[in-house]
Order: sequence, then structure tokens, then C-alpha cells
Amino acid sequence: QVQLQESGPGLVKPPETLSLTCTVSGYSISSGYYWGWFRQAPGKGLEWIGSVYYTGDVYDNPSLRNRVTILIDTSRNQFSLEMGSLTAADTAVYYCARDLRGYGGYIDYWGRGTLVNVSS
Amino acid sequence: SYELTQPLSVSVALGQTARLTCGGDNLENKHVHWYQQKPGQAPVLVIYRDINRPSGIPERFSGSNSGNTATLTISRAQAGDEADYLCQVWDSSTTWVVFGGGTKLTVL
Repeated sequence: QVQLQESGPGLVKPPETLSLTCTVSGYSISSGYYWGWFRQAPGKGLEWIGSVYYTGDVYDNPSLRNRVTILIDTSRNQFSLEMGSLTAADTAVYYCARDLRGYGGYIDYWGRGTLVNVSS
Repeated sequence: SYELTQPLSVSVALGQTARLTCGGDNLENKHVHWYQQKPGQAPVLVIYRDINRPSGIPERFSGSNSGNTATLTISRAQAGDEADYLCQVWDSSTTWVVFGGGTKLTVL
């Protein structure tokens, strides 16, 4: 069974940088598939941030591109998100997930999510 | 950018059939996926590639996609089906993952 777990700070001050890590178990990320980051602001819908392949290739949301870096570490079976210049509008639950964009583009496994509060 | 439109809320009587819609331009040319999300929980995939159910999802959940509208049908609605339901596509022309705004299903 594939499992994903987000880790990182729950509180970040503006305009600092958020760093989150997703640890994958039950599947070797070097075996394939894309691995993505998503977020959901309080009371709002889901927003795709970006997805990374095991080779390091990244597809990202152009509305966030200038602030986002997504990396993958196959040796640790982890991938990460860095988002800079944070504002209160970035307060959200952040999810990592497996992105099957080569198979119709659905998301089959999700982490439980981690709440990030951006506040001074 | 591609947009998906969902009604904010749908109500269904206990034991009846709920039909939740997702609208988009020429949506039938894309694969539509549906997620159930309960408060404080991560989304759960309930339908993928228009009509397919992942293992563990009851047969009461079914999907269709035609023209500009995809539909998630929940038969014999139960109290436990109360949740937000989100539709999603992968726009191959832009490579973006796109979600609808979600529909809150209330079982009366």
C-alpha cells in the first residue's frame, strides 16, 4: 500500500520561505510516476502547485512558478516543495500525492495533509 | 486556462439517487476524475477516467462524460456519503491539473 506523509513547519512568517517534505512508503519513487504538491486554503477548492518525475523533470502551476521549487530525492524516497515570498494568502492545507498524468491524469494516493499558517 | 464548473450544493433524500455535474468546454474529450472529501480529510478518488471505480469504492458510485458535462451518480444515497465532491481533469495541452470548485452533497 502506497503511503505519503508530509512534514514541515506549521507556522511561517511572511515573507519567509516554506519548506515541506513528502516521504513515500510502499513504493519506490524511482520506479516511475509523477509526484505532486497541492494545497487547499480554508473553505476553498483544491489547487495544484506542481509535480515532479523521478528524473527531476517538473511541471508546475504558472501562477506560482516564480515562487516554487520542487525537488526529488530518490535515495531517500522523498520529494520536496519550497515556496518563497509567503503571504497570508498562502495559508492552506498542503498535500502531497501521486500524480498519474501519464495514465489519464488522476491522483490515486494522497498524504493526510499538513496545515501551514502564514502569520507574523 | 481550462475551467471546470460545479454547482455549489446538491441535496438528496436518504436512499435516493444524487447526480452531481461537472461542466467544461468539450469535456468529453478529456478524462474526468472525481474525489470525495470529508471535513478535515484528504480527498479520496471515487471515479477515474470517467467511469472507473477504484477498488474499495462501492458500486453505488458511477460516472459518465458526454458533451460538455460529466456526471457523478450516487445511488441509494447514505448519510456517510455527505461530503464535498470535486471533479478534476489533466489538461494535456498545458500539462496542468485542473479542479472544479467542488459540490457539497447533503443527504436529507
